[in-house]
Amino acid sequence: AQTVTQSQPEMSVQEAETVTLSCTYDTSESNYYLFWYKQPPSRQMILVIRQEAYKQQNATENRFSVNFQKAAKSFSLKISDSQLGDTAMYFCAFMRLNSGYALNFGKGTSLLVTP
Amino acid sequence: DGGITQSPKYLFRKEGQNVTLSCEQNLNHDAMYWYRQDPGQGLRLIYYSQIVNDFQKGDIAEGYSVSREKKESFPLTVTSAQKNPTAFYLCASSGQEKADTQYFGPGTRLTVL
Repeated sequence: AQTVTQSQPEMSVQEAETVTLSCTYDTSESNYYLFWYKQPPSRQMILVIRQEAYKQQNATENRFSVNFQKAAKSFSLKISDSQLGDTAMYFCAFMRLNSGYALNFGKGTSLLVTP
Repeated sequence: DGGITQSPKYLFRKEGQNVTLSCEQNLNHDAMYWYRQDPGQGLRLIYYSQIVNDFQKGDIAEGYSVSREKKESFPLTVTSAQKNPTAFYLCASSGQEKADTQYFGPGTRLTVL
């Protein structure tokens, strides 16, 4: 089974600072996909970033970037220039290619951005 | 507007009753998914469907049922057999390409009284 572990239940960062959220996963597959989703207080799940395992280059989306370490099975999310609107739960997810491309989620990290 | 809608936003159920949660998408997506979210937990897969008239059980399918009679619709029924149905339910869909990103609806909060 592909498990996803987020070891930081809660984190806090000041506005304009940088924060890194950790995620590790376990799989025996060689090709797979990883995601970070954001869930603000509205509870709407919003895609932040996606990474294909066969791509060595780390994905970036504006202020969001990942550090993908395939050998270590690590997939951390870096948020630069944190904004108050970044306050949310962040979920790391692994795509199960053999189960209809469903997602396995970690338990999430609650991020609070303070003024 | 293209998107995924879920209704109702809040749903209350008495013990012993079946209830059906609606999920509709107008994105022309083939695949649809139901997840359950409990406090302090990530999302867990209930059922998924990759094509009309076909669906598969996920990790926690017991006490739930689904249908996929139309491409746009994937309703979830929470039956009286579900021991602890109070949770937040999220529907998602993804496109025709394999490993397409999943996009989520706004969710339904179900409370058993």
